[in-house]
Amino acid sequence: GAGVSQSPSNKVTEKGKDVELRCDPISGHTALYWYRQSLGQGLEFLIYFQGNSAPDKSGLPSDRFSAERTGGSVSTLTIQRTQQEDSAVYLCASSLGQGRANVLTFGAGSRLTVL
Amino acid sequence: GIQVEQSPPDLILQEGANSTLRCNFSDSVNNLQWFHQNPWGQLINLFYIPSGTKQNGRLSATTVATERYSLLYISSSQTTDSGVYFCAVSLYGGSQGNLIFGKGTKLSVKP
Repeated sequence: GAGVSQSPSNKVTEKGKDVELRCDPISGHTALYWYRQSLGQGLEFLIYFQGNSAPDKSGLPSDRFSAERTGGSVSTLTIQRTQQEDSAVYLCASSLGQGRANVLTFGAGSRLTVL
Repeated sequence: GIQVEQSPPDLILQEGANSTLRCNFSDSVNNLQWFHQNPWGQLINLFYIPSGTKQNGRLSATTVATERYSLLYISSSQTTDSGVYFCAVSLYGGSQGNLIFGKGTKLSVKP
């Protein structure tokens, strides 16, 4: 697609429920990133996929968080047993790869509210 | 881990004024990018600038990698420049995907 597409744009859920957030990167972009932005804060790195390499999961805050990328394209971020502190905007970005090609294009984000 | 500090945290300008935003980082980096987040939350990449100087219209950026800082210049500011400006870096020799963001500079341009 022309840009990075994320869905849903807004999600309200109850504490303890599981949620899935989807990211559709720009066609041809081999790298995909997930970040989290809490209200009024900077961006917190979550996970990075590059081609067929093992993902860099070093930013995932707990084992309730997981992500996968199928077919080198669409990615799903799953949060199990959501907690109120998970409320944030989840941002996905993609890029062509490494070095000078590693210029990130962000999606509009998925705003998650856990009640 | 690497520290990224941005200053000032907040900046209020009158339309037409110039400004300089600063990003200091604590270690050698192989990637440095500047982003603008508009008031609706959309993040736009402004520059990929691990070293050197680049210009794009009213915006320019300079990174002095040996001294571990980068500057973003905004000239003749407009109300549409309002938002938060983020600097993001990745550690030299580290994961290129692990871009560490600073806390940002919130810019408000008044008409």
